[in-house]
Amino acid sequence: DGGITQSPKYLFRKEGQNVTLSCEQNLNHDAMYWYRQDPGQGLRLIYYSQIVNDFQKGDIAEGYSVSREKKESFPLTVTSAQKNPTAFYLCASSPGLSRYEQFFGPGTRLTVL
Amino acid sequence: AQSVTQLDSHVSVSEGTPVLLRCNYSSSYSPSLFWYVQHPNKGLQLLLKYTSAATLVKGINGFEAEFKKSETSFHLTKPSAHMSDAAEYFCVVRLRLTGGGNKLTFGTGTQLKVEL
Repeated sequence: DGGITQSPKYLFRKEGQNVTLSCEQNLNHDAMYWYRQDPGQGLRLIYYSQIVNDFQKGDIAEGYSVSREKKESFPLTVTSAQKNPTAFYLCASSPGLSRYEQFFGPGTRLTVL
Repeated sequence: AQSVTQLDSHVSVSEGTPVLLRCNYSSSYSPSLFWYVQHPNKGLQLLLKYTSAATLVKGINGFEAEFKKSETSFHLTKPSAHMSDAAEYFCVVRLRLTGGGNKLTFGTGTQLKVEL
């Protein structure tokens, strides 16, 4: 059963703590993405990776970090430097080459207490 | 720069009546355009895509969209709304990145409400 999984579904964090969100895909896609979604703002790109061991900053990378050690996995760390981390986080992957559509995971809702 | 503008933040229709969700795009080259749907607290699902083939694109769940270059529009339609269509809809354009790769730029979304 192919797809993208994100865990956990809900995450609570105290201010000043780092937290890591998991994203795994078994679609054999080359490219992976992280987005942040806030009400009324659509999706904003945090980081993306086109191949293993390579990633680039998106539009709002400050306060976030990623790694891409395996093709299937693209974890996102929300650091204490992120000033307003409470949001819905979505991971996506894309086949690459001439296919640009992205396939999304179910999301992780992060709440900072 | 590539961008999309969704002209309505909220649309309300009665069940069984047509749906029209409006999107205008801006692109310096022939664009790739998409519509995605998001149900509450869920990920996004691809409804349909336009990639310079037929200008009328059919998607899932009875939705379709027409690419009109002269109007720079890519409006989403459905002949008859169903209660299960209530969701948020995003119009999306592909941006080519320098150095290769692609990025999707999302509109701010249109919330569709379907009433009995």
